[in-house]
Amino acid sequence: KNQVEQSPQSLIILEGKNCTLQCNYTVSPFSNLRWYKQDTGRGPVSLTIMTFSENTKSNGRYTATLDADTKQSSLHITASQLSDSASYICVVGGYNTDKLIFGTGTRLQVFP
Amino acid sequence: DTAVSQTPKYLVTQMGNDKSIKCEQNLGHDTMYWYKQDSKKFLKIMFSYNNKELIINETVPNRFSPKSPDKAHLNLHINSLELGDSAVYFCASSQEISAQLYNEQFFGPGTRLTVL
Repeated sequence: KNQVEQSPQSLIILEGKNCTLQCNYTVSPFSNLRWYKQDTGRGPVSLTIMTFSENTKSNGRYTATLDADTKQSSLHITASQLSDSASYICVVGGYNTDKLIFGTGTRLQVFP
Repeated sequence: DTAVSQTPKYLVTQMGNDKSIKCEQNLGHDTMYWYKQDSKKFLKIMFSYNNKELIINETVPNRFSPKSPDKAHLNLHINSLELGDSAVYFCASSQEISAQLYNEQFFGPGTRLTVL
């Protein structure tokens, strides 16, 4: 069964600290992995998209890594800001299909 | 300019009613989607349309019927609303998948549906 699991479910950190979110997936055949940020009351916004041949991709203070062999990905947030408080969703795309499999997300709260 | 817009943002209605949610994208994309996000924040695809043609139809009750008058619009009509339909519904759009290895999807702001 195609699944995407994320950990932790929720995370609280202080402003300025770094954090890492984890994603494991069982989607096959695999094509791409995305990380989305979803602010409360808003739609998801894409942070990074990686194909199976990419190991890492950065978008400002966000750095995503992908290990297609172990089917794991991580999202590292550097020097967190209050505006980073949101849900972060790991999403996996299968090969030659529009259908995406969504994880349940990690709820990040950044406190001053 | 809003890329993907949905109306209304909030919808409160009684069980048994029929309601519609509208979605429009001004990105020139060929493919549009409807997703349902439940109370556990889990997003699941419901439908996908490419150039007004249905290409993904997940296991969704036939009370839900998407309508695409043109490729910039994908509306969602729901008949005989039930309590379990309460959720946030997101519209999204993307370029046609054959154009690239993957297609970035752009989401609308969501419509929170509450069925009483």
